[in-house]
Amino acid sequence: AQSVTQLDSHVSVSEGTPVLLRCNYSSSYSPSLFWYVQHPNKGLQLLLKYTSAATLVKGINGFEAEFKKSETSFHLTKPSAHMSDAAEYFCVVSGTVNDYKLSFGAGTTVTVRA
Amino acid sequence: DVKVTQSSRYLVKRTGEKVFLECVQDMDHENMFWYRQDPGLGLRLIYFSYDVKMKEKGDIPEGYSVSREKKERFSLILESASTNQTSMYLCASSRFAGTVTYEQYFGPGTRLTVT
Repeated sequence: AQSVTQLDSHVSVSEGTPVLLRCNYSSSYSPSLFWYVQHPNKGLQLLLKYTSAATLVKGINGFEAEFKKSETSFHLTKPSAHMSDAAEYFCVVSGTVNDYKLSFGAGTTVTVRA
Repeated sequence: DVKVTQSSRYLVKRTGEKVFLECVQDMDHENMFWYRQDPGLGLRLIYFSYDVKMKEKGDIPEGYSVSREKKERFSLILESASTNQTSMYLCASSRFAGTVTYEQYFGPGTRLTVT
């Protein structure tokens, strides 16, 4: 079965500095990987997805993630944090072939300091 | 854009009440999902449906049932609400196409409090 571990439960950055959210996954199959963002009292919004094409994936709002198979990682980065990036972020991995269920990490809460 | 709507944003119910949470999607997606979200636990799958009248249990189905009579609508039912079912409930939908896992689109959530 697949699983995902988000290595930091909370990340605090200053506005204008880089953001790094770390995610490791485990899967016996070549997975699809996703990052979602959730602002307070809102549903989840897709930031980006990896589906076996380019290993560097660009998403919305300046975020990008790099798939590293050798390290089983899918870390999310943004060069310059904005106050509006304060939210909770979830790393998500797909199941096996024909399995459309997703496994969610526990989430990383990002705080942005002015 | 895909739109997933949920019938209520906030709901307060008493212990033992029967509770219905409704979800509607407008993009003709085959798959629909119900999750609950609790602090520190991420999202946990309760049930999902891959076609009308078809359903499968997720990771935490106990105390819940579902209904999918029409493709666009997926209902979550708490037969007898209990305080440990106080949570945020999220509905999602996705396409289905064989070996490809498509992203899920989420509704805004229903925050249910059982007193």
